[in-house]
Amino acid sequence: ELKVEQNPLFLSMQEGKNYTIYCNYSTTSDRLYWYRQDPGKSLESLFVLLSNGAVKQEGRLMASLDTKARLSTLHITAAVHDLSATYFCAVVSGGGADGLTFGKGTHLIIQP
Amino acid sequence: KAGVTQTPRYLIKTRGQQVTLSCSPISGHRSVSWYQQTPGQGLQFLFEYFSETQRNKGNFPGRFSGRQFSNSRSEMNVSTLELGDSALYLCASSLGQHTDTQYFGPGTRLTVL
Repeated sequence: ELKVEQNPLFLSMQEGKNYTIYCNYSTTSDRLYWYRQDPGKSLESLFVLLSNGAVKQEGRLMASLDTKARLSTLHITAAVHDLSATYFCAVVSGGGADGLTFGKGTHLIIQP
Repeated sequence: KAGVTQTPRYLIKTRGQQVTLSCSPISGHRSVSWYQQTPGQGLQFLFEYFSETQRNKGNFPGRFSGRQFSNSRSEMNVSTLELGDSALYLCASSLGQHTDTQYFGPGTRLTVL
């Protein structure tokens, strides 16, 4: 059974600081996603990571994938208040038979 | 291009009732997946429909069912509602390959009293 673990689950940080969210998964993955969810809203797709060593960047967010370590990271550079949200990683494996398997999410609060 | 739409957005039911939720995918998307989100269990996969057929199913009881129509719109039904069914139900659409990005709708917030 595929398990996806994120840490930390809760993070409070100040604007201007850098931090990294980690996502570990237990079995071989076909693809890894990062999603953002604002309170009371749906999930917004941020990144899709396809292969070992993949790195994607959008603004102050950068995601990377190490398939050998079964680890993805989401790095936040010089955080701003607008990035406050819950971030989920999700993994597809085994031909998609189990849909997306999500981590529990990282609730990120950025203090102005 | 319009996004994924879900109706209704909010629903209040009592135990024992049944409920039907609707999802309209992005135009051209043939796969619709349903997820349940609760504070305790997080996001869990319910099932996926592709070309009017259930292609994959998560670990939920038979009270949870769904269907997909020829226009790719999907409905999800929950019978004999329990308090624990209170959740945000999200549907997501994609082109159809299991590695295609899934785009999520706004969700239906179901409260069971």
